[in-house]
Amino acid sequence: DIQMTQSPSSVSASVGDRVTITCRASQESSSWVSWYQQKPGTAPKLLIYAAYTKESGVPSRFSGSASGTDFTLTINNLQPEDFATYFCQQANSFPWTFGQGTKVEIK
Amino acid sequence: QVQLQESGPGLVKPSETLSLTCTVSGDSINTNYFTWIRQSPGKGLEWIGYVYYSGTTKSNPSLESRVSLSIDTSKNQFSLRLNAVTAADTAIYYCARQSGGAALDYWGPGTLVTVSS
Repeated sequence: DIQMTQSPSSVSASVGDRVTITCRASQESSSWVSWYQQKPGTAPKLLIYAAYTKESGVPSRFSGSASGTDFTLTINNLQPEDFATYFCQQANSFPWTFGQGTKVEIK
Repeated sequence: QVQLQESGPGLVKPSETLSLTCTVSGDSINTNYFTWIRQSPGKGLEWIGYVYYSGTTKSNPSLESRVSLSIDTSKNQFSLRLNAVTAADTAIYYCARQSGGAALDYWGPGTLVTVSS
């Protein structure tokens, strides 16, 4: 299985900050990596797919990138509604796997 | 607007079978792959498997021996059966639609299934 090691597990940030979350894949693979946002008591919401592509309706402050086995989600100008938990997910090989999540908290 | 809704028992006894159904509205089930995922505090998010309208399925090897996935195109529903459950199968179970980018673009709200006697 491809392990997705996500870091950090939590981050404290203020409104207006930039937050960067990284997932490192345990082996080289294609860019079928997605990012999701989850708020308490709700299902995950798709933000980014194919490493770089923003889902329709997702604010421009969210962006995804990739370099080798590292996949990154960047949130610029953090807004109050962005405080949530974020997960990466790889669909390069079966079984699909998820990172352990990064909780973005208010500083 | 695409909506998915899980349904099924919230409590299952150990060694019995967990059965869930996902009803899709706003989209034909004939056009996409549909997936089951579960989430528990101990194991995070875990992909269970997907089903296609043709009947093609793919399951997580860690669950494959106990999982059965099926689809009913006449009802726009797909289903999950998980045999011989234990407490480790206690989780929130989600159904989701898989987009062309191999991502999960629409999710159901999730249903908590507890395995307990």
